Amino acid sequence: ILNVEQSPQSLHVQEGDSTNFTCSFPSSNFYALHWYRWETAKSPEALFVMTLNGDEKKKGRISATLNTKEGYSYLYIKGSQPEDSATYLCALRDDKIIFGKGTRLHILP
Amino acid sequence: DTEVTQTPKHLVMGMTNKKSLKCEQHMGHRAMYWYKQKAKKPPELMFVYSYEKLSINESVPSRFSPECPNSSLLNLHLHALQPEDSALYLCASSQGDTQMSYTQYFGPGTRLTVL
Repeated sequence: ILNVEQSPQSLHVQEGDSTNFTCSFPSSNFYALHWYRWETAKSPEALFVMTLNGDEKKKGRISATLNTKEGYSYLYIKGSQPEDSATYLCALRDDKIIFGKGTRLHILP
Repeated sequence: DTEVTQTPKHLVMGMTNKKSLKCEQHMGHRAMYWYKQKAKKPPELMFVYSYEKLSINESVPSRFSPECPNSSLLNLHLHALQPEDSALYLCASSQGDTQMSYTQYFGPGTRLTVL
C-alpha cells in the first residue's frame, strides 16, 4: 500500500519570508508525483507534475524538486504572499492514486 | 478552454432516490476521473476512464455507477445511497492516463447530501 506523508501538517510563515515543505513516499514503484494547491471550498488546482528523478519545476515564486531514489519531493515558496495561504497537496500513483493529507500554509501579515 | 464543468452544484437526495452527476470537458482530454472528498480531507479516487473505458475502479460500492458516453462526458449514477455517502464529488480530466503523468484539471464539484 502506497503511503504518502506530508510534513509539516501546518505552517505559519511571515509575509515576505520563504518556506518549503515535504512530500515523502516509498521510493519503489514510482510513476508520477503531483503537487496541488487547494483552498477550502474550492477544487484542487494543479501546480506541477513530476516524473523523473532530479526534476525541478518552477511556476512564478513556487518551485518543486523530486528525488525518487530517496523518496521525497520539496515544494518551495519564495517571498510568501497572503494569497499563498492554502493547503498544498501531493499525490502519487503506483497502482492507486493516493493523496497526502496536505500541508496547511498560513501567511501572516 | 481549460474548464471542467460539473452539474448540479448541489444535490440533496433520499436513500431511495436515483440521481446522476454530470461532468463535461472540451479540452480533448482522454482520461476522466471521479473523486470523493469529505470535509477537510484530501480527495479519494473512485473511478478512472481512459479512452472511454473504465480503467480503474477503487473498490467503490455498486450503488455508484459510472458511465462515459463519449470522450467529453462523464456521469456518475447514484442509487440507494447512504447518509455517509454525503460528500463533495469532484470530476477531473487529463490529456491521458499514462501512469498519471499528465496534469489533472478539476471541476468545481457537486456537493451531495443524502438524507
